[in-house]
Amino acid sequence: KQEVTQIPAALSVPEGENLVLNCSFTDSAIYNLQWFRQDPGKGLTSLLLIQSSQREQTSGRLNASLDKSSGRSTLYIAASQPGDSATYLCAVAADSGYSTLTFGKGTMLLVSP
Amino acid sequence: GAGVSQSPSNKVTEKGKDVELRCDPISGHTALYWYRQSLGQGLEFLIYFQGNSAPDKSGLPSDRFSAERTGGSVSTLTIQRTQQEDSAVYLCASSLYGGGALDTQYFGPGTRLTVL
Repeated sequence: KQEVTQIPAALSVPEGENLVLNCSFTDSAIYNLQWFRQDPGKGLTSLLLIQSSQREQTSGRLNASLDKSSGRSTLYIAASQPGDSATYLCAVAADSGYSTLTFGKGTMLLVSP
Repeated sequence: GAGVSQSPSNKVTEKGKDVELRCDPISGHTALYWYRQSLGQGLEFLIYFQGNSAPDKSGLPSDRFSAERTGGSVSTLTIQRTQQEDSAVYLCASSLYGGGALDTQYFGPGTRLTVL
């Protein structure tokens, strides 16, 4: 059974800092890994999707890496802003015909002005 | 076009009552997923619909939970005889292909269910 772990569970940083969120998964048979953002009381917004054959994806100040063989991914946020405050969720799609996602419990990020 | 929509946004019910939660996926998406997010827990998969195929119900926690998808579009998740442990945010997602390396799931805002 796939298990996804995210570290840290919570992170508080001052505005402007670069930061790294970590995600690990136990079964490397995945189609892709996705990072989502969830604001309080809201649904999930997809940030980045990394296919299993890729090593990284970038979108603006966000960069996500994937090391499939070791079961690890990182989300790098450059020059953090208060608007980045949210819960960040990592999810992997099983390599089994359809992509039911297995989620980590998330990292709650607070960026202070 | 519009994203995934869910209704109601909040539902408070008494223990033992039945509830229905609705999901309108993105038009043209073949796959629809239901997830549950409980306090302190991650999101857990409940059920998956793909086109006209039989749904994958492997994530449903008990036989009190059921779901249907009419006409390959709108889906309803029904919880019978609700219990306090059913209190959670129920999220619906849809995707274009229902699988594959490039398939992204788009999530609705969720329905927050509180069972008193």
